[in-house]
Amino acid sequence: DTAVSQTPKYLVTQMGNDKSIKCEQNLGHDTMYWYKQDSKKFLKIMFSYNNKELIINETVPNRFSPKSPDKAHLNLHINSLELGDSAVYFCASSAWTGAGYTFGSGTRLTVV
Amino acid sequence: KQEVTQIPAALSVPEGENLVLNCSFTDSAIYNLQWFRQDPGKGLTSLLLIQSSQREQTSGRLNASLDKSSGRSTLYIAASQPGDSATYLCAVPMNRDDKIIFGKGTRLHILP
Repeated sequence: DTAVSQTPKYLVTQMGNDKSIKCEQNLGHDTMYWYKQDSKKFLKIMFSYNNKELIINETVPNRFSPKSPDKAHLNLHINSLELGDSAVYFCASSAWTGAGYTFGSGTRLTVV
Repeated sequence: KQEVTQIPAALSVPEGENLVLNCSFTDSAIYNLQWFRQDPGKGLTSLLLIQSSQREQTSGRLNASLDKSSGRSTLYIAASQPGDSATYLCAVPMNRDDKIIFGKGTRLHILP
C-alpha cells in the first residue's frame, strides 16, 4: 500500500525521558512534515524537510530534533519530555508545495 | 500572516439533508486549498484538493468551491449520511514556503 506510516501509534512515557517517533512514506514525495495536534484539536506545523534538507522550523523548542536520513524518512526525536508535549503528532508528505498532502495516522504521545 | 477560519465550529443535521461548510482565509496568495476529514482518534483523510486556478472540485457527494478573491471556500455535502460524521478541516499552503495553515475544523454530526 502506498502511504505515510508512523510508528508507534501510541506512546506513553514519563517526564524527562527521551523518545523518538518514526515516519516513512513510499509515495516518492520530496517533502515531509511534522504537525502537532493539541488537546483543542488544532493542527500546527512543526518542521518540514525537502529532500533531506530542513526547510521550516516553526518556533519549536530545541528539545525537538527532526532527522531525515533519506527523503523517504523523517523521524522526530524529543529530549527531556514535558507534560505539555502530550499531543498527537502527525507526519505528512507532498510531492511538491501545492501538490496536496498525505497524512499518516498519527502518534498519540502521553507524558505522565 | 495567514489565518484560516472555519464556520460553524460544530453542526448537527438530520440524515439526508444537504449542507455547506465554510472556510475563509485572509491571504489570497495560496497555491491551493485542501479539504480533509478527521474521524475521532484517527488521521487526516484528504477529500478534495482545489488548485488556485480552479473554481471547484467534485468527488461523489462532495463539492468544494474556491473563490480566491474573496478568500473563501465551501464544502457542499449532498444527501448527508451518518457515516459523514467527522471533523472537516480546510488547509491552505502558502506560496512563499511549504507551510500549510489549518483551520480549527467543523465537527459534523449527522443524526440518523
